[in-house]
Amino acid sequence: SQQGEEDPQALSIQEGENATMNCSYKTSINNLQWYRQNSGRGLVHLILIRSNEREKHSGRLRVTLDTSKKSSSLLITASRAADTASYFCATGRDDKIIFGKGTRLHILP
Amino acid sequence: SQTIHQWPATLVQPVGSPLSLECTVEGTSNPNLYWYRQAAGRGLQLLFYSVGIGQISSEVPQNLSASRPQDRQFILSSKKLLLSDSGFYLCAWTVTGEETQYFGPGTRLLVL
Repeated sequence: SQQGEEDPQALSIQEGENATMNCSYKTSINNLQWYRQNSGRGLVHLILIRSNEREKHSGRLRVTLDTSKKSSSLLITASRAADTASYFCATGRDDKIIFGKGTRLHILP
Repeated sequence: SQTIHQWPATLVQPVGSPLSLECTVEGTSNPNLYWYRQAAGRGLQLLFYSVGIGQISSEVPQNLSASRPQDRQFILSSKKLLLSDSGFYLCAWTVTGEETQYFGPGTRLLVL
């Protein structure tokens, strides 16, 4: 079963704008991760935030986690054409992580 | 550095035929290994994971099976493929005790 649900399912923005994607989950977690998948490729890990953290930054990425609302957001600032991809949140529990269905992000030139 | 290999990259198989997909990891020892399936435009479905040689946990009952004959080798098999087995199969590994997963390039399977 899938734990995380990303919102929106698809997002198109102009190059240079910021992109925000959200993830909601249902049960308690140890951590939450965001991954990126270019079309037809494997997933690439972007960032991990632990349950006792509220915000984390990595380059143009900013992730927040609200465990009281069981939600997380991924912000990509100053988007580029190369950011076009699908983005997945994944919640960690025991030795497994469970992925959501993803947000398809399309950066328009 | 660690690398993960999957083969074949693409496979077209008739319904009822057997399947064997292989995944190997280099540059690490005793990894946790995972098989996922991704339907077109969908998220990842965890099929199997393994925390050691011969230890396989199945997440979804179906006509697929997995084996781990060696520490860094993970094999996904089927005796008879179904049309519904079509999809993109991804292998991944983690360092035991850590959460970040590292994915292989995937195998695209089309069952006709």
